[in-house]
Amino acid sequence: KAGVTQTPRYLIKTRGQQVTLSCSPISGHRSVSWYQQTPGQGLQFLFEYFSETQRNKGNFPGRFSGRQFSNSRSEMNVSTLELGDSALYLCASSLDPGLAGGRYFGPGTRLTVT
Amino acid sequence: QQQVKQSPQSLIVQKGGIPIINCAYENTAFDYFPWYQQFPGKGPALLIAIRPDVSEKKEGRFTISFNKSAKQFSLHIMDSQPGDSATYFCAASIRAGGSYIPTFGRGTSLIVHP
Repeated sequence: KAGVTQTPRYLIKTRGQQVTLSCSPISGHRSVSWYQQTPGQGLQFLFEYFSETQRNKGNFPGRFSGRQFSNSRSEMNVSTLELGDSALYLCASSLDPGLAGGRYFGPGTRLTVT
Repeated sequence: QQQVKQSPQSLIVQKGGIPIINCAYENTAFDYFPWYQQFPGKGPALLIAIRPDVSEKKEGRFTISFNKSAKQFSLHIMDSQPGDSATYFCAASIRAGGSYIPTFGRGTSLIVHP
């Protein structure tokens, strides 16, 4: 089975712009969750989607949003980019978010905000 | 407030040594404790996980020890190899909204010298 894919892998944006990142889960997986990884804050949960519905959201401002499509692919959007949004954005997929384990991470999208 | 504290931040051992990474949590509602391994340029991969009703779990060379009363858990890597050189993250997950939400430790960079 192909793993979780994320596009693009690298992105450079200017402060104030917006950005959309994409995640394609493992075939058959219906849940996608997003995480932000930075040297200062570590790995932090952003939000999780299951069957096109947001199940949970982490402690991030409203500039961070996401959605999931009927084919389980997910996108996350960050509006009005700030320098502090520079990070590695990871998505993970799983069969069912109600299962504790079985989350498979993609390689991430490295976002740099200048 | 950091809910999962991980130590040490970095660790260097010789091949064959037994590196130990420790994590402590505060919220007793956490009920699933996974460890992830991350190589440079890759997303984290689930290594091993434990539930709070179990005191120890082994999978190959990796062992989790769990002390519920102390709210601490640790990862032991037996007969460590240079290929184990990676960053290791502990996490504590809480069930909310029908899914498990992880809180991650800050990570431990492990180097195993040949």
